[in-house]
Amino acid sequence: DTAVSQTPKYLVTQMGNDKSIKCEQNLGHDTMYWYKQDSKKFLKIMFSYNNKELIINETVPNRFSPKSPDKAHLNLHINSLELGDSAVYFCASSRTSGSGYNEQFFGPGTRLTVL
Amino acid sequence: AQSVTQPDIHITVSEGASLELRCNYSYGATPYLFWYVQSPGQGLQLLLKYFSGDTLVQGIKGFEAEFKRSQSSFNLRKPSVHWSDAAEYFCAVGGTDKLIFGTGTRLQVFP
Repeated sequence: DTAVSQTPKYLVTQMGNDKSIKCEQNLGHDTMYWYKQDSKKFLKIMFSYNNKELIINETVPNRFSPKSPDKAHLNLHINSLELGDSAVYFCASSRTSGSGYNEQFFGPGTRLTVL
Repeated sequence: AQSVTQPDIHITVSEGASLELRCNYSYGATPYLFWYVQSPGQGLQLLLKYFSGDTLVQGIKGFEAEFKRSQSSFNLRKPSVHWSDAAEYFCAVGGTDKLIFGTGTRLQVFP
């Protein structure tokens, strides 16, 4: 019963290629996120979607394009991959409530290596 | 500016010893505070969270953390560390949207 799943787990590709990472959650949440963890383990938010609408876009290059076909899915497409895109990408989800902060549940991560 | 500082990059303790991982935050409003653990090659698991109320919060795996508003701190503690606690620990602060993470503390446990 995986709550937040990501595919693939590992992705190795050449510079200049285009690749996608998929994320699915079965928790019934309405908000999904993408975070990037760099080689120094620093985690930073990239995007968030609420009910398929883009809420947060943290000055990410426009080579990165998130797509949310429905509330349970948030995919990340990356064009013209660069060496600096090598990182671990984490998907997360949460349920919006009126009480303030909503706990985020994280997927297992996708390790992207650009050669 | 919103930020989280974890001053200790790497901590080494002996199994059975007590542990305290430090976390300081800067946040304009009432913070929601979290500790996550990341085992090698794994995702992030929530250890505990503070939203309001009692400033000493209990989490999973025997961890606890204390929120001290006057010191802008949310330190993580465990009275007796087990070898399986070796991992990367992240403190995070959030509002109603994104999480802001610290740079992490790597915990090494010696037998």
